[in-house]
Amino acid sequence: DGGITQSPKYLFRKEGQNVTLSCEQNLNHDAMYWYRQDPGQGLRLIYYSQIVNDFQKGDIAEGYSVSREKKESFPLTVTSAQKNPTAFYLCASTRRDRASEQYFGPGTRLTVT
Amino acid sequence: KQEVTQIPAALSVPEGENLVLNCSFTDSAIYNLQWFRQDPGKGLTSLLLIQSSQREQTSGRLNASLDKSSGRSTLYIAASQPGDSATYLCAPMEYGNKLVFGAGTILRVKS
Repeated sequence: DGGITQSPKYLFRKEGQNVTLSCEQNLNHDAMYWYRQDPGQGLRLIYYSQIVNDFQKGDIAEGYSVSREKKESFPLTVTSAQKNPTAFYLCASTRRDRASEQYFGPGTRLTVT
Repeated sequence: KQEVTQIPAALSVPEGENLVLNCSFTDSAIYNLQWFRQDPGKGLTSLLLIQSSQREQTSGRLNASLDKSSGRSTLYIAASQPGDSATYLCAPMEYGNKLVFGAGTILRVKS
């Protein structure tokens, strides 16, 4: 089955700790994206990558970091500098051409206390 | 900066009704527009993708229209069912293949 996997589904961390969220896709998509969703709000773009070894900041990149060493993987690290990290995190991927749909993973709910 | 507004914010209807969900966006320089469905606590499921050169797209009971020049898209749901209950999100795609999301319309279809 082709798709996007995110792990874990739920993640709990203490304030001050860095945490890495996993995103893997087997759709052979070039572009990958990380979004954050807060209750009652739309998704906001954190980081995106159009090609391996390259990535760009989205609208709310402060306190987050990413890497793109492999086409299939785009992990997101939530650092201790992120002031309000508790949220639902969604990963997506697409082909690079403009006609393509974005496909989403099932999400990771991060709770920091 | 692109801003996306979805109206209404919430909608509760009896089963069988035809529905209209509205989406407006401020910057008409978009590549395409996607409509998604999100069930509580889940990821997004793509419903329809309309290219900037298209006026509408249909899939089963769903029909989406796009008027790029006026910055509007509409999702029609025919003969609604309780299983249609979810949050519906509209997202135009802009330069860099980036989606910009509205806050969504929460739909409840009562049986």
